[in-house]
Amino acid sequence: NAGVTQTPKFQVLKTGQSMTLQCAQDMNHNSMYWYRQDPGMGLRLIYYSASEGTTDKGEVPNGYNVSRLNKREFSLRLESAAPSQTSVYFCASARGWQGRNQPQHFGDGTRLSIL
Amino acid sequence: AQKVTQAQTEISVVEKEDVTLDCVYETRDTTYYLFWYKQPPSGELVFLIRRNSFDEQNEISGRYSWNFQKSTSSFNFTITASQVVDSAVYFCALSGGNNTDKLIFGTGTRLQVFP
Repeated sequence: NAGVTQTPKFQVLKTGQSMTLQCAQDMNHNSMYWYRQDPGMGLRLIYYSASEGTTDKGEVPNGYNVSRLNKREFSLRLESAAPSQTSVYFCASARGWQGRNQPQHFGDGTRLSIL
Repeated sequence: AQKVTQAQTEISVVEKEDVTLDCVYETRDTTYYLFWYKQPPSGELVFLIRRNSFDEQNEISGRYSWNFQKSTSSFNFTITASQVVDSAVYFCALSGGNNTDKLIFGTGTRLQVFP
């Protein structure tokens, strides 16, 4: 029962380094999402992919890029990490059928620190 | 614009007390969905409930109950006879009916239940 798997679980980067966060789901879901969680701010959507081959910006996309590699995998890339990107990152997936607004299933998160 | 407000930042109760977590939302969509998620100290996000805007019936699941009132744009969550295991951060979230699963989260309410 893997569900949504995120790697790595923890990472420390120096300012200016690049890094890719990986996410994979085994539920045959169409939609996938990347969120960041900061203290006192809830979860904010960075990017999402409604279906394989499409990606769209969310609320806070600056400084990030994404790739929907296939139906299972959705990666988040930081090209030049900044201290403001220190956060906990969550990947999520949902069935994504039109008009259904099904619950999202979340990974366990990646705790990222930028020094 | 869509918005979710959880005005209670933190609530502390003693075991067996009842507690209500408030959620107020804003949306211009006529069709929308409301969710509650639980984030225990271990950090994962656990889906609790989904409600659509056409179903105002209250729902009860064991010690958990939800009160949805469109007239006041509220979707409140009550835990009856709270237990230490209920200690977590609880998030209310909203998604629109325009064929997208994108979630707008509130900032969360941290519930601490003391023995």
